[in-house]
Formats: sequence, structure tokens, C-alpha cells
Amino acid sequence: GENVEQHPSTLSVQEGDSAVIKCTYSDSASNYFPWYKQELGKGPQLIIDIRSNVGEKKDQRIAVTLNKTAKHFSLHITETQPEDSAVYFCAASKGNAGNMLTFGGGTRLMVKP
Amino acid sequence: GAVVSQHPSRVICKSGTSVKIECRSLDFQATTMFWYRQFPKQSLMLMATSNEGSKATYEQGVEKDKFLINHASLTLSTLTVTSAHPEDSSFYICSARALQGEYGELFFGEGSRLTVL
Repeated sequence: GENVEQHPSTLSVQEGDSAVIKCTYSDSASNYFPWYKQELGKGPQLIIDIRSNVGEKKDQRIAVTLNKTAKHFSLHITETQPEDSAVYFCAASKGNAGNMLTFGGGTRLMVKP
Repeated sequence: GAVVSQHPSRVICKSGTSVKIECRSLDFQATTMFWYRQFPKQSLMLMATSNEGSKATYEQGVEKDKFLINHASLTLSTLTVTSAHPEDSSFYICSARALQGEYGELFFGEGSRLTVL
């Protein structure tokens, strides 16, 4: 089955700096890669996703890149703010979003004011 | 975006009792819902896939007789933890797929924290 590795497990940055979280996946058939933000005691919230037919997607301060050949994808957050502090999860699945997601281990991001 | 509601958000029960958690898609129909379990500082682990009108598909290692899943309608799935024990204490999260074209999108509920005394 699919295996998703996520690094780093914790990341501390100064407000205004950029943060990068990286994930690798094992199943070359995976073609949908969402990123979720989870705040303490809450469910995950989708922040951005990318499908295998594109290499990069951007939404304001958040961007995701995908390298299908290397089977890795990354989340980039620019101009970080304290409210970006949360746990971020990457995930991968095959087919459409209705299929099973395999999650990475999560990254705890701390943005210091 | 679409809303998935879970109830209750927190529940404390005695060992040996059963607890039911509801997952509702409020503004869309969901043929498929997923149930996850999350221990502190860990990732989400898929427990089962719930399909409307049919039996749930459980992941390896998840006891189907202990974690009963019912998906009676296109907007409601329930997870019942039967004869709960302290080791069942966890954060349970559901997700539902909104049918949008070819891909759809998964939306997560706010989670239900179960504490078994």
C-alpha cells in the first residue's frame, strides 16, 4: 500500500519567514495530494491540494509543488504569521478524492512573533 | 466550503459502556464517509470506509464488532464504540466526500474526543 513520509516533525520559524514542509510517497499511482491544517482539538481543514497533472499550485501565501518523478511534494508558506501555528498533514490518494487518503506523520509548525 | 458536523464533540463514559458518535454532512450528500482515529501528537489512522446502504469496509487490525459503523442515509454515518475500555480513549474524526465532478473533495468533521474512565 501507499506510504507517506513527512518532514520535519516540528518546525519553528520567526514571524515573516517562510516555512517548507516536505513529503514523499511510495505509490506511483497516487495522483491526488492534499494538505491539511489541524488546530488543537479540531478536525483537519483542507488548505490546498494538487493533482498529478500539474507541478505547482499557489493560493496567496501558500503554495504546493509536486515532483512526480521523485515522488515528493512540498508545502510552502511565505510571510508566516502566528496564526499559521498548527499541525500540518500531507496526504496522498489514488483516483479521486473519494478514495482513501494516506496521511503523513504531521508537522508541528510554530511561528514565533 | 461544505460542512461536516460531528456530535458529540466530547464524551466521557465508564468502562464497559457503548458510545455513539454521529457524522453529518450538512449541505451535501455523501455516498462515502471515512472514520479516523488520532492519538495525541500522532497522525490520522483510517479505521473504516462507510458506504451508504452497504457494509463498512474496515482497515486491517480494526475490530468491526467493536467499532460498529452505520451509514443509513446520504447525510449521516454513525460510529458506535461498543464495550469501551480506557485504551479506546482517542480523538475520532470523520470525513465525507462531496460529489463535485470527477474528483470531489473531502471535508472533515471537528472530531469527537472520547475519554473512557
